[in-house]
Amino acid sequence: DADVTQTPRNRITKTGKRIMLECSQTKGHDRMYWYRQDPGLGLQLIYYSFDVKDINKGEISDGYSVSRQAQAKFSLSLESAIPNQTALYFCATSTSGGALNTQYFGPGTRLTVL
Amino acid sequence: AQSVSQHNHHVILSEAASLELGCNYSYGGTVNLFWYVQYPGQHLQLLLKYFSGDPLVKGIKGFEAEFIKSKFSFNLRKPSVQWSDTAEYFCAVTPYNTDKLIFGTGTRLQVFP
Repeated sequence: DADVTQTPRNRITKTGKRIMLECSQTKGHDRMYWYRQDPGLGLQLIYYSFDVKDINKGEISDGYSVSRQAQAKFSLSLESAIPNQTALYFCATSTSGGALNTQYFGPGTRLTVL
Repeated sequence: AQSVSQHNHHVILSEAASLELGCNYSYGGTVNLFWYVQYPGQHLQLLLKYFSGDPLVKGIKGFEAEFIKSKFSFNLRKPSVQWSDTAEYFCAVTPYNTDKLIFGTGTRLQVFP
């Protein structure tokens, strides 16, 4: 969905490096999410944000941090990357909760930590 | 803890065969239910969703799903699959008023011509 974009699409880095993954959306949604996908584990929630001043930890936030620079931008950082953070990372957006809470996903970032 | 179970990890079918993918969730209250599809190399796309009303939900590309509250299930079906349905399918649940989308581990579907 071109309304949610992620950069970079692929990244190879070394253990100990700091990495930032960026997500932008033009859907006008308040809520943004970061997930990681590992084979056989589905998607796990890392962090989510309901608006610029509201950041919340998900199931697997250790080793990650986020920044909501604007309504349309939500960045995920790995302060010191480690090999078990090798995964596919997805950003998602949604409107307010209840019946409207359908999440729309970006194309993903494939991160490899050597 | 709330969880979503997808019983079939890998399904292999021939074209025109019928498909049913199982999904069960563990949450006693009201839920919103979703099926997402991920085609090879692509992002997740919404196939269909259930919030309320008719428990038989029709989605895109001929897919449908039935919510059976007594069985905590939301199985995905398609009467006749095509090669282009080859993808990974994820069931997901949002317990009402929580805004968290809980995913199952996914089912990989391979359809052969």
